[in-house]
Amino acid sequence: EPEVTQTPSHQVTQMGQEVILRCVPISNHLYFYWYRQILGQKVEFLVSFYNNEISEKSEIFDDQFSVERPDGSNFTLKIRSTKLEDSAMYFCASSLSVFGGELFFGEGSRLTVL
Amino acid sequence: TQLLEQSPQFLSIQEGENLTVYCNSSSVFSSLQWYRQEPGEGPVLLVTVVTGGEVKKLKRLTFQFGDARKDSSLHITAAQPGDTGLYLCAGAMVVISGYALNFGKGTSLLVTP
Repeated sequence: EPEVTQTPSHQVTQMGQEVILRCVPISNHLYFYWYRQILGQKVEFLVSFYNNEISEKSEIFDDQFSVERPDGSNFTLKIRSTKLEDSAMYFCASSLSVFGGELFFGEGSRLTVL
Repeated sequence: TQLLEQSPQFLSIQEGENLTVYCNSSSVFSSLQWYRQEPGEGPVLLVTVVTGGEVKKLKRLTFQFGDARKDSSLHITAAQPGDTGLYLCAGAMVVISGYALNFGKGTSLLVTP
């Protein structure tokens, strides 16, 4: 069964360092998303991406964040200068359609900022 | 940001009991989805409800979307230990430029044998 894969599963970084989280969405999906979940809190929407551009982003997704689809398969989230409060589980998701379509989530990348 | 309130936050029951969890909002959603999340994993979709008043069944799970499309409930009949997990509701917001899911905080369910 096709699935969304994410790497790394866990990354520990120093405050101020740049981090890139990688995702391989399901191959025929058209819409891509990043969500994050701070420990004990709810899953929060960060950004959606379609047709090689951001289609929607939340207030959390400030100038420190960027997304890219550098080739036909990878979808990346970059945090330019990490802060302690960026520590969270980051989930990538993809979907085939936008209206009521099922989002398929990856298993997440746990980011710990020290 | 439309707020989704889920209740109860935690629920611990014995195997065989019935339970209902709720998802409420003051906003109208184009659709509402229920996910289940296991520790250390991403959410997995259980169901999508689209029409006001819609009822969907998935084995022992019954999902209902409120008539006004602002609230939803999940009822589990004869709960089993395998039902243990975090149940999340998510309201779909369709805007001109895209689509986003707004999640509630979830109901953490523990079913003991």
